[in-house]
Amino acid sequence: EAGVAQSPRYKIIEKRQSVAFWCNPISGHATLYWYQQILGQGPKLLIQFQNNGVVDDSQLPKDRFSAERLKGVDSTLKIQPAKLEDSAVYLCASSPRGANTEAFFGQGTRLTVV
Amino acid sequence: GENVEQHPSTLSVQEGDSAVIKCTYSDSASNYFPWYKQELGKRPQLIIDIRSNVGEKKDQRIAVTLNKTAKHFSLHITETQPEDSAVYFCAASMVTGGSYIPTFGRGTSLIVHP
Repeated sequence: EAGVAQSPRYKIIEKRQSVAFWCNPISGHATLYWYQQILGQGPKLLIQFQNNGVVDDSQLPKDRFSAERLKGVDSTLKIQPAKLEDSAVYLCASSPRGANTEAFFGQGTRLTVV
Repeated sequence: GENVEQHPSTLSVQEGDSAVIKCTYSDSASNYFPWYKQELGKRPQLIIDIRSNVGEKKDQRIAVTLNKTAKHFSLHITETQPEDSAVYFCAASMVTGGSYIPTFGRGTSLIVHP
């Protein structure tokens, strides 16, 4: 079974620039998560989708972060403009619909803002 | 929302010793408690989970206990080996609007000395 795919793996940008991350969840998984993991901390949920609808985005800094999941499959997370404190690993995860089960994580995108 | 506290932040043991990591959660509605292992530079991967209708679960050298009254759960690793060295995250998952929202602890860095 193919896992969660993310790209790019690494990205370095200057502050105030824009960046976008892409995620392709496991086939058939209705729930998709974007997490931000700052070095030395646990993953922090940014946004959760059920199919193409948003379940929770209470911790998403909406003034600069946006995410979409058109057609309920792939998802993109965008930061515009980036700040130094956005440097982190951005993890995408997915899980089956209606099941309180594990989240399967992608390899993540390591973002460095300089 | 849910708040998960995890202790200790760092745990150093000798090979063969046992290791215990403890987590507390705030929302009594949480009913699913997974534990993830994250090796350096890799994605978090589920190692064991427990649901609120079970008090204890064991899988070879790993066990998890849950005390719903006290709202805490623990990970126990016996006969530790150097390959157990990693960061371990607990999580508590609660139901919101029919979907499951997982919240992670800050992580415990386990170091097993040969």
